[in-house]
Amino acid sequence: QKEVEQDPGPLSVPEGAIVSLNCTYSNSAFQYFMWYRQYSRKGPELLMYTYSSGNKEDGRFTAQVDKSSKYISLFIRDSQPSDSATYLCAMRGYGGSQGNLIFGKGTKLSVKP
Amino acid sequence: DTEVTQTPKHLVMGMTNKKSLKCEQHMGHRAMYWYKQKAKKPPELMFVYSYEKLSINESVPSRFSPECPNSSLLNLHLHALQPEDSALYLCASSRDGTSGYNEQFFGPGTRLTVL
Repeated sequence: QKEVEQDPGPLSVPEGAIVSLNCTYSNSAFQYFMWYRQYSRKGPELLMYTYSSGNKEDGRFTAQVDKSSKYISLFIRDSQPSDSATYLCAMRGYGGSQGNLIFGKGTKLSVKP
Repeated sequence: DTEVTQTPKHLVMGMTNKKSLKCEQHMGHRAMYWYKQKAKKPPELMFVYSYEKLSINESVPSRFSPECPNSSLLNLHLHALQPEDSALYLCASSRDGTSGYNEQFFGPGTRLTVL
């Protein structure tokens, strides 16, 4: 079993839809959870960063972490064509090599006008 | 300013060439990273520098040689690469390493093609 599982998609939605992206993980030492957005041939851009369980909201984006289920989600409300990108979940533990980022495979999202 | 810059944007090199990739950040971060990303794959960690010292080397072949001349600069020296080394090379930085609440910010990457 891989440490981080993420459905690679592709996921295609109409403009204005609510998008739900998810990752599961197996390592209970993970404490910090991130979502990155990566446009084609560009570097990853940090979207959301959460510590431990709970919700975090930033504009149209909401990140949820459920450590008991080892499950994280990113919701995008009122999706726009400019949201079309690959979304990578990433997570890590604390310190040393445990603190290295472990990425999911990424989900490719396409928002159609 | 949360910008990490990388030069060059694109690089084509032969297997016998020597070239270098450069990364710079002015956020006062003390940890810097090199990642390699193949098409449709997530980034893979290569090296971590913390306070200008190499702290993690993820079993990377010696044809890749990192260097951290100061806290703002990170180089990756390339020599005798193979075609399978063609990839997007990403630099990232964070406040002070892999402890605590340390966001990693990525640069735009250098797209390397080895002929």
